[in-house]
Amino acid sequence: QSALTQPASVSGSPGQSITISCTGTNSGVGNHNLVSWYQQHPGKPPKLMIYEGSKRPSGVSNRFSGSKSGNTASLTISGLQAEDEADYYCCSYAGSSTWVFGGGTKLTVL
Amino acid sequence: EVQLVQSGAEVKKPGATVKISCKISGYTFTDYYMHWVQQAPGKGLEWMGLVDPDDGEAIYAEKFQGRVTITADTSRDIAYMELRSLTSEDTAVYFCATGVVPLAYWGQGSLVTVSS
Repeated sequence: QSALTQPASVSGSPGQSITISCTGTNSGVGNHNLVSWYQQHPGKPPKLMIYEGSKRPSGVSNRFSGSKSGNTASLTISGLQAEDEADYYCCSYAGSSTWVFGGGTKLTVL
Repeated sequence: EVQLVQSGAEVKKPGATVKISCKISGYTFTDYYMHWVQQAPGKGLEWMGLVDPDDGEAIYAEKFQGRVTITADTSRDIAYMELRSLTSEDTAVYFCATGVVPLAYWGQGSLVTVSS
């Protein structure tokens, strides 16, 4: 089960939009839509932000959106706010009841 | 309200075994798989495995296969993760997570420190 590939860091100014990519394999991200995105602030457990590629759980801001193209899933955050500064992880079903995370992306709000 | 409450921090010596618990409330334990995730200090999330509380079947990530056992006690609504032959590389926070959407709800994490 190879980890999904994410950029180590991204940054943006308040009000801007940023996109975090998550690249997997044909048997993972490319084969289904079971990709989730998590936000993690220091010392806290991860929080589900997007599931099944593009769905938002109740209570998550509509500034967060997800999409997929081929083997790459993406998380877009629009109207960046200071509180969006966190680590973000993608997670995908990898087959045979196993799951795999991306390496994580540190978002800095300038 | 779904809640997952994990056991407290542990300090173990190299070669020892640790067993962490995850007590659930707010839903029917057998309805969702329970996952376990490792996070080493300053590192990313790593999926370790899951258990289906309904039948007790567990699936493990290759990295942990043979060294981890994940179980579910349906009489007490508690999931367990046991990790054996600990080394310093197992120093990490361990999370349980569940949900109809996989990994939607998370426990607070349990810190395991492996040190001689």
